[in-house]
Amino acid sequence: LAKTTQPISMDSYEGQEVNITCSHNNIATNDYITWYQQFPSQGPRFIIQGYKTKVTNEVASLFIPADRKSSTLSLPRVSLSDTAVYYCLVGGDYKLSFGAGTTVTVRA
Amino acid sequence: GAVVSQHPSRVICKSGTSVKIECRSLDFQATTMFWYRQFPKKSLMLMATSNEGSKATYEQGVEKDKFLINHASLTLSTLTVTSAHPEDSSFYICSATTSPQSYEQYFGPGTRLTVT
Repeated sequence: LAKTTQPISMDSYEGQEVNITCSHNNIATNDYITWYQQFPSQGPRFIIQGYKTKVTNEVASLFIPADRKSSTLSLPRVSLSDTAVYYCLVGGDYKLSFGAGTTVTVRA
Repeated sequence: GAVVSQHPSRVICKSGTSVKIECRSLDFQATTMFWYRQFPKKSLMLMATSNEGSKATYEQGVEKDKFLINHASLTLSTLTVTSAHPEDSSFYICSATTSPQSYEQYFGPGTRLTVT
């Protein structure tokens, strides 16, 4: 499983866009990039997944450059309820390996 | 859709006793279920992978005789912590996939175990 590196924490304010970059230099050809969100004392929740270029859904966008050695999760117009830990995972099968994650704190 | 439940949500037990945690997929059949544990302010650690009707595959360092996993049906997996000790106190989370080829896992709400 490819190792991932992401910032430990990020602060933002309501209404701003939050971008979290994850480095995965050793990503394999078959690996997908997946992001999960976790609130305290709850199980993680799937946010978005991609393989290359850009993926967008109703809650986030995922940007993946051509070399796929990094990816950026973009959360548009965050609110207080987006305060959570965000995990970047890279893998080629269904077995997930969680790193430390990024604690995003949104302030009013 | 794709809801996973866990029971109980919280449990307190005495040292030396066993505790069973249930994980259910409510609206889909889960061919594969996973069990994680998470210590305070730490990340999730995969304990084992469970496939319906077969023995669970444990991660390195996880004692299979202490953490018994049963996946008797496509909607139910159980984790039994045997002879629990205070160091087993943790947040236990299960997840499920709809197919072995699926990268998306649906997580349960977690079970807070406290061993006194």
